[in-house]
Amino acid sequence: AQTVTQSQPEMSVQEAETVTLSCTYDTSESDYYLFWYKQPPSRQMILVIRQEAYKQQNATENRFSVNFQKAAKSFSLKISDSQLGDAAMYFCAYRSGVHGSGNTGKLIFGQGTTLQVKP
Amino acid sequence: ETGVTQSPTHLIKTRGQQVTLRCSSQSGHNTVSWYQQALGQGPQFIFQYYREEENGRGNFPPRFSGLQFPNYSSELNVNALELDDSALYLCASSLMGQGDGEQYFGPGTRLTVT
Repeated sequence: AQTVTQSQPEMSVQEAETVTLSCTYDTSESDYYLFWYKQPPSRQMILVIRQEAYKQQNATENRFSVNFQKAAKSFSLKISDSQLGDAAMYFCAYRSGVHGSGNTGKLIFGQGTTLQVKP
Repeated sequence: ETGVTQSPTHLIKTRGQQVTLRCSSQSGHNTVSWYQQALGQGPQFIFQYYREEENGRGNFPPRFSGLQFPNYSSELNVNALELDDSALYLCASSLMGQGDGEQYFGPGTRLTVT
């Protein structure tokens, strides 16, 4: 079974600085997707960035980028120029890319990292 | 904000009671997945509905059941509520069979069981 681990329950960063959130995962599959989701307090969970396992190039979305190390099964999120609005709980998630009977495309989440941004 | 809505926003029930939570999927989506998120934890997959049938289930007992309607909206029903059922219940809609099936989450229903 696949697992996702986030070992940092809480992180803090100064506004305008850079912070990196860590995530490791375990799988025997070769085809999968990895995601970072942001869940602000009392607000909807939204997708921040995604990475397809077959792509060697690290995904980037504006101030958000990932460091995808497939062999090490590591998937960290870097937030540059942190803003007050980045304060939230961040979840790393895995989804199988295997198609077939019973594959729901369910997301497997880590425990989350609460990010505090200090003004 | 996504186009996924959930009702009610908050709910308080007593142990042993039954509860129904509702989810309206984003326009054009045909699949709804339900997740349970305990306080301070990551969401756990409960089950998924596609074409009005259960399409997969996580490690949840049968007292968790669901429905999907022809308009792709969905319900989550929980019978014989237990204290540990207190959690945020999230639904996510997606489009099965096209693209990458990215899931879009609703705001959740906060269920408290006393």
